[in-house]
Amino acid sequence: AQSVTQLDSQVPVFEEAPVELRCNYSSSVSVYLFWYVQYPNQGLQLLLKYLSGSTLVKGINGFEAEFNKSQTSFHLRKPSVHISDTAEYFCAVRESGAGSYQLTFGKGTKLSVIP
Amino acid sequence: DAGVIQSPRHEVTEMGQEVTLRCKPISGHDYLFWYRQTMMRGLELLIYFNNNVPIDDSGMPEDRFSAKMPNASFSTLKIQPSEPRDSAVYFCASRGGSSGNTIYFGEGSWLTVV
Repeated sequence: AQSVTQLDSQVPVFEEAPVELRCNYSSSVSVYLFWYVQYPNQGLQLLLKYLSGSTLVKGINGFEAEFNKSQTSFHLRKPSVHISDTAEYFCAVRESGAGSYQLTFGKGTKLSVIP
Repeated sequence: DAGVIQSPRHEVTEMGQEVTLRCKPISGHDYLFWYRQTMMRGLELLIYFNNNVPIDDSGMPEDRFSAKMPNASFSTLKIQPSEPRDSAVYFCASRGGSSGNTIYFGEGSWLTVV
């Protein structure tokens, strides 16, 4: 079984400042990693994913994340945030083996961008 | 392409009533998932189907919850009888076809049981 820990439940940041949302996972097997974003009163939208290959993954809206196997982390970053980035962000993990389709989510991090 | 479509978007019902949530997955997707989101527990997988067959329902909280997928383009999640603690956002999601490993979510059904 795998688990996901998002260390910060809320992150306030000023507009145009950089941000990092932290995610650590636990799994006994190799995994795929995902970041989803949920805007107020909306569903979840995929931001980016790591399946294999380069450990630096670029996603939509200027976000990127780096997979660090030794630290079992998959932190999400953006060099300059915008008001429209205010949302809740979820890190998720699933086993990479065939037949493994269950996504395990972290509790989410609410990003508040302050004008 | 239309995304995952859920209905109703919002429902307020009285305790004891039956609630039926509906989902239309993305065409061509062969996996369908039902998730529940609450403040206390975050996002939890309730059940998922592959080719219309329930594969894992271990996340279904109790017998009051049931889910069906009569065909590839439709699924329901039913709560009978409903209780206030069932108040949550219920998400349907699907994957398959060209989407590969990505799971796509619907916009959710906001359920309030009073």
